Amino acid sequence: AQTVTQSQPEMSVQEAETVTLSCTYDTSENNYYLFWYKQPPSRQMILVIRQEAYKQQNATENRFSVNFQKAAKSFSLKISDSQLGDTAMYFCAFMGGSNFGNEKLTFGTGTRLTIIP
Amino acid sequence: GAVVSQHPSRVICKSGTSVKIECRSLDFQATTMFWYRQFPKQSLMLMATSNEGSKATYEQGVEKDKFLINHASLTLSTLTVTSAHPEDSSFYICSASFSAGGPYEQYFGPGTRLTVT
Repeated sequence: AQTVTQSQPEMSVQEAETVTLSCTYDTSENNYYLFWYKQPPSRQMILVIRQEAYKQQNATENRFSVNFQKAAKSFSLKISDSQLGDTAMYFCAFMGGSNFGNEKLTFGTGTRLTIIP
Repeated sequence: GAVVSQHPSRVICKSGTSVKIECRSLDFQATTMFWYRQFPKQSLMLMATSNEGSKATYEQGVEKDKFLINHASLTLSTLTVTSAHPEDSSFYICSASFSAGGPYEQYFGPGTRLTVT
């Protein structure tokens, strides 16, 4: 069974600073996808970024980037130039290749990020 | 694009009654819809996966007779909580995916808060 661990329940950072959220996972599969989802106070989940395990290059979406370390099974999210709108709960999620057919996601427990003005 | 709505956003019902939650994909045809449950300050737990016109696949530990899922069309899935009890109070979130969307990306609805008194 796959597990996703987010060891930081809460974090806070000053506006405009950079923050890194950690995520580790456990799997025996070689092919999989990793995701970071954001859940703002409105509770609407939004995809922030995704990474395919076979791609060595780290994914980047504007101010959001990941550090994907496959051997270490680590998938951290870096938010640069943080903004007040980044305040949210962030969930790391995993989809193993065995679940590509049913698209089943396994979520971590989340990190509550607060951007301080 | 890829908007998912849920109705109602909040519902309060008395113990023993049933309540129906609707999940609609507004601008796409969803090949698969997912129902999650989220307890306060916790992660999302997948309850079931449904495909249009077929029976839902429930996760282990989820009572299919209590949580009835009907995926009547490519844009509508409903979750009915039958004979609700206070322990069913929770935040219920649906998501949907479609073939032309991002790889294995799920598009989430805004959630429904159910309170059983």
